Amino acid sequence: EVQLVESGGGLVQPGGSLRLSCAASGFTFSSYWMSWVRQAPGKGLEWVANIKQDGSEKYYVDSVKGRFTISRDNAKNSLYLQMNSLRAEDTAVYYCARLRRSLSGYYSDYWGQGTLVTVSS
Amino acid sequence: QSALTQPASVSGSPGQSITISCTGTSSDVGSYNLVSWYQQHPGKAPKLMIYEGSKRPSGVSNRFSGSKSGNTASLTISGLQAEDEADYYCCSYAGSSTLFGGGTKLTVL
Repeated sequence: EVQLVESGGGLVQPGGSLRLSCAASGFTFSSYWMSWVRQAPGKGLEWVANIKQDGSEKYYVDSVKGRFTISRDNAKNSLYLQMNSLRAEDTAVYYCARLRRSLSGYYSDYWGQGTLVTVSS
Repeated sequence: QSALTQPASVSGSPGQSITISCTGTSSDVGSYNLVSWYQQHPGKAPKLMIYEGSKRPSGVSNRFSGSKSGNTASLTISGLQAEDEADYYCCSYAGSSTLFGGGTKLTVL
């Protein structure tokens, strides 16, 4: 059974840093692109970042470029999101998701339960 | 990187059909048959309902169907049931980025 379990969320002051983790199991982690998607309270889904199987390609939404870094450790079946210079508008539930990406398909077929990040003084 | 456009809300009675639209541009929805749809119940993670524009994952009811015309993708739910009440999001590949729609709240009357 595919499982994605996020951790690392919490309360952080503006300008602070936080590192989110996503532990994957039930599939060959190193064979899949992975994504982070966030959802601000009462708002819609917003894509944050993608990372290729070997970490050689990474893509970010403009609003987090230069502040967030997506990474992975295939030996540990883990996905990470390092978040620096956090702002109030980064407050959201952060989901990790497995991304199916090919010429014919582009979709997230499994999602974690999410971890809440609150940026506030 | 503008979000895809969805109606904020739609409603229907049990047994009826509804359609949710998702409008993008020729750079995203119109360029690729790579639209997916997600269902999200309150406090839960999103669930994949449609991928590659019209395909259903295993376990998703055939009451859910997807289509696309030009820059607009659509999700149709037939035979509405109470458990279909949820938020629905479309998503499209857009080159080096990913776009979600703003979400549509479906109310089953």
